[in-house]
Amino acid sequence: EVHLVESGGGLVQPGGSLRLSCAASGFTFTNYWMHWVRQAPGKGLVWVSRINSDGNNTNYADSVKGRFNISRDNVKSTLYLQMNSLRPEDTAVYYCARGQPRQQGLDPWGQGTLVTVSS
Amino acid sequence: DIQMTQSPSSLSASVGDRVTITCRTSQSINSYLNWYQQKSGKAPKLLIYAASTLQSGVPSRFSGSGSGTDFTLTISSLQPEDFATYYCQQSYSTPRTFGQGTKVEIK
Repeated sequence: EVHLVESGGGLVQPGGSLRLSCAASGFTFTNYWMHWVRQAPGKGLVWVSRINSDGNNTNYADSVKGRFNISRDNVKSTLYLQMNSLRPEDTAVYYCARGQPRQQGLDPWGQGTLVTVSS
Repeated sequence: DIQMTQSPSSLSASVGDRVTITCRTSQSINSYLNWYQQKSGKAPKLLIYAASTLQSGVPSRFSGSGSGTDFTLTISSLQPEDFATYYCQQSYSTPRTFGQGTKVEIK
């Protein structure tokens, strides 16, 4: 069964850093683009970033560009999101999701991990 | 960036009703349009990709149509388990923008 499990969320002060992880299982991790999507409390879904199968092609939303870094370890089948210079508006549940081939949507999604940026 | 406009933002419907949600994009995205369902406290689930292709395991009462800039998600006969929030998303270009969501509530 295909499974994605996020971890690493928590409470961090403004200006702080946090690294999220997403452990993948049940599929050949190296064959897929991977994405991060976030959702602020009570709000809608916002796409954050993606990385290609080799890890050498990345894209970011303007709101996180220069502060967040997406990466992957294909040996460990794990996706990461390094978040620096965190702001209160980064408070959200962060989901990792697998990109289907040929741009056919995101499936499946992990259960999400909550990041709270507050003093 | 491609802007996504969903309507309505919420609706009330009864079990058995036909429900239609629309999504309009700020530029043509061919058929690179996906629909997701999110239940309260849960992760989103892919329902439809490429505008009209049902993801495996999704009930046939869900259908999608459209191309270019105008798209529709239809639930032919609303079931109790369909009460949720629905999002459209374009996969034509980055950033992969989402619509603001449509909350489907019980009348």
